[in-house]
Amino acid sequence: QKEVEQNSGPLSVPEGAIASLNCTYSDRGSQSFFWYRQYSGKSPELIMFIYSNGDKEDGRFTAQLNKASQYVSLLIRDSQPSDSATYLCAAQGNDMRFGAGTRLTVKP
Amino acid sequence: SAVISQKPSRDICQRGTSLTIQCQVDSQVTMMFWYRQQPGQSLTLIATANQGSEATYESGFVIDKFPISRPNLTFSTLTVSNMSPEDSSIYLCSVESGGYEQYFGPGTRLTVT
Repeated sequence: QKEVEQNSGPLSVPEGAIASLNCTYSDRGSQSFFWYRQYSGKSPELIMFIYSNGDKEDGRFTAQLNKASQYVSLLIRDSQPSDSATYLCAAQGNDMRFGAGTRLTVKP
Repeated sequence: SAVISQKPSRDICQRGTSLTIQCQVDSQVTMMFWYRQQPGQSLTLIATANQGSEATYESGFVIDKFPISRPNLTFSTLTVSNMSPEDSSIYLCSVESGGYEQYFGPGTRLTVT
């Protein structure tokens, strides 16, 4: 079974800090990687995708990919209480596999 | 990104009945997907629905229980048949747009009593 693993959390950070969310995947054939944010009672919202090794920045979000280590991360700078949500990591190989999600709480 | 709507947004159904969930997209898309998300759990893919072909079901999901239609490039339905309380879940449709990015509809919250 090709898996995507995430620490379930909860991860708690103070407002203004950097939140670091991590994900590993087992399918070496995975080529595309995604981070979704899911607020309680809502559907997942795509916030970042990354296809190449290295960093990709979009506003306060940075996605990092290391295919050799089969590792993906999401950094959220200047965390805000509105960032409190569950973050799902996904890897696309032959199909899309989702991790179980990490619950993030940003405390004012 | 595509704008996706689902109907109904929620429903409470009796055991043994069936519910059809509709998914409408504001643009033509090739790939549509149906997922289930049970409380506190991640997403489980039920099936992939491509227009003009039979849906492809994941292990553990069968067409008799979850028949899918895909009559055109903007619309799909998922039916949950002969429901039991174990079918209580959130059902989500998604579409592939751009590269491999998937965008999700708002979901249908189903409770089976």
